[in-house]
Amino acid sequence: DAGITQSPRHKVTETGTPVTLRCHQTENHRYMYWYRQDPGHGLRLIHYSYGVKDTDKGEVSDGYSVSRSKTEDFLLTLESATSSQTSVYFCAIRDRGGVNTEAFFGQGTRLTVV
Amino acid sequence: AQTVTQSQPEMSVQEAETVTLSCTYDTSESDYYLFWYKQPPSRQMILVIRQEAYKQQNATENRFSVNFQKAAKSFSLKISDSQLGDAAMYFCAYRTRPGGTSYGKLTFGQGTILTVHP
Repeated sequence: DAGITQSPRHKVTETGTPVTLRCHQTENHRYMYWYRQDPGHGLRLIHYSYGVKDTDKGEVSDGYSVSRSKTEDFLLTLESATSSQTSVYFCAIRDRGGVNTEAFFGQGTRLTVV
Repeated sequence: AQTVTQSQPEMSVQEAETVTLSCTYDTSESDYYLFWYKQPPSRQMILVIRQEAYKQQNATENRFSVNFQKAAKSFSLKISDSQLGDAAMYFCAYRTRPGGTSYGKLTFGQGTILTVHP
């Protein structure tokens, strides 16, 4: 299994509070991604990183920020959580290369905003 | 932007039978990759099969095979000899070929829940 760990695995938080999710990898892969999974929408890209301190927005980035200060960690922050951000969040990593360099996913974080 | 559509929210199959999951996509690119991922109740995302758009031959992986119709922008997954362990959510996904600013981002369909009846 790819060395990718998400923390926490589950979290319940109140509306308006800040929340940070962590993705940690031991594979030294260049690319890291944050997706959210919602019924009827599949997985949608929030933010991604193509190197240390190199990040960009994905399809559903409003209300989220990210940071990558070192290769192994990619943090996703909800500055002020809202109920619409209740979701399952997945981190993924990928190495350089072609089609055979597949993306590996973490176990997901279930976030509930009440 | 690319879009991926899975029009079957749920499918069911009898154990040992064959089932086909549908996926269509929209893109203006000529070179790309397509994937099927399996997500069992554990939530783990598992790559089932991949297809390179420039390859005419359909990919196969044991009991899993695809029917890739590039002109129709269709990418269906066929599961033969279905097993109870095949029960899961299945996602179709698209990825632009490496290079430029694609950075390996995946675009997913909505998912299809597959139930396998004993």
